[in-house]
Amino acid sequence: SAVISQKPSRDICQRGTSLTIQCQVDSQVTMMFWYRQQPGQSLTLIATANQGSEATYESGFVIDKFPISRPNLTFSTLTVSNMSPEDSSIYLCSVGTSGTYNEQFFGPGTRLTVL
Amino acid sequence: AQKITQTQPGMFVQEKEAVTLDCTYDTSDQSYGLFWYKQPSSGEMIFLIYQGSYDEQNATEGRYSLNFQKARKSANLVISASQLGDSAMYFCAMTPRERSQGNLIFGKGTKLSVKP
Repeated sequence: SAVISQKPSRDICQRGTSLTIQCQVDSQVTMMFWYRQQPGQSLTLIATANQGSEATYESGFVIDKFPISRPNLTFSTLTVSNMSPEDSSIYLCSVGTSGTYNEQFFGPGTRLTVL
Repeated sequence: AQKITQTQPGMFVQEKEAVTLDCTYDTSDQSYGLFWYKQPSSGEMIFLIYQGSYDEQNATEGRYSLNFQKARKSANLVISASQLGDSAMYFCAMTPRERSQGNLIFGKGTKLSVKP
């Protein structure tokens, strides 16, 4: 299984500011994803981080609000831009590995509170 | 479009007993994958078990087993010999193709509480 770390683990931010979340994997992985979990809700996929090309965003999420970088096969960042209290969520990085069966692992998450 | 339904917002189980968490899914795809995750209060998502739509055997991982009934489109998680540390949120999820990665679609989750 892949070991995934995220920074920061939590943050409290002011409205209108931006926060960049880092995701580091201990091995090269093809697929990296960013999810959002709003308070008391389930997880929703924000985008797929593609190495060497622009991220693929899901319906309802746009690049201007959630710019993503993927400079190599072990690292990605998600920026939450121009934050509002509605952005208060847990943001999780996920990676896919292929083996005898499909696996997807998640990082520990970043708890974001926007005041 | 794919959809996951978990009808039990909360469940209680006595320590050392078995518990079944329900999950039904809706898809028109012939090939898909089903996952269960555990989310303790710390917020991390812990992978528990995976079942592919073409797998003939029900998946098992230690105390976890997946009761896969394809015709009924159900993928219930069975936890045997419950432990206090099993208290957490449990999410059922699916991918649109058996070997695809990404775009996990999650149910709303079931909060399991294990009583001593």
